[in-house]
Amino acid sequence: EAQVTQNPRYLITVTGKKLTVTCSQNMNHEYMSWYRQDPGLGLRQIYYSMNVEVTDKGDVPEGYKVSRKEKRNFPLILESPSPNQTSLYFCASSLAPQGMGYTFGSGTRLTVV
Amino acid sequence: GQQLNQSPQSMFIQEGEDVSMNCTSSSIFNTWLWYKQDPGEGPVLLIALYKAGELTSNGRLTAQFGITRKDSFLNISASIPSDVGIYFCAGPSKTGANNLFFGTGTRLTVIP
Repeated sequence: EAQVTQNPRYLITVTGKKLTVTCSQNMNHEYMSWYRQDPGLGLRQIYYSMNVEVTDKGDVPEGYKVSRKEKRNFPLILESPSPNQTSLYFCASSLAPQGMGYTFGSGTRLTVV
Repeated sequence: GQQLNQSPQSMFIQEGEDVSMNCTSSSIFNTWLWYKQDPGEGPVLLIALYKAGELTSNGRLTAQFGITRKDSFLNISASIPSDVGIYFCAGPSKTGANNLFFGTGTRLTVIP
């Protein structure tokens, strides 16, 4: 089944403790992206990647890192999480986002205390 | 910065009623996409629009690409309880790179 898989689905952590949210897609898509969703703000893009080793900042990149060492994987790294990064995070992939849209994962709900 | 304004922000409707929502942009778009997010899940693409004036249907859903190219509309006919969720519009991001920018969403509640 074609899908985007994120792990974990839920995560509670403490301020400053580094964490990684994994994302994997099995559709051989070039484009991958991370979004965060907050009430009243919709989906805001954190980082995106156009292919292996090609990444760029989205609209809200502060406090996040990403890497794209393999086509299928696009982990999101929070080196020193803070409470304002408490949010619902989505990974997404696409062959051509503007034409075909993104396929989204099921989300990771992160709470930073 | 770039903005996609969706209205209304939320709607409460009776089962069986028709629903209309819209999305407006300050800049011209050449693509409009509409997504639905079920509670606890990621957004799923409903309809894609590629031409000004285009009207496209997907079951009970109909979306239109506004002729000014700065807006789009989504209509749901004869709503049912499973229509509950958040509806997002999306269009090309100004960051380029074939990127997508999402609106703030319209939350729909259907009362049985």
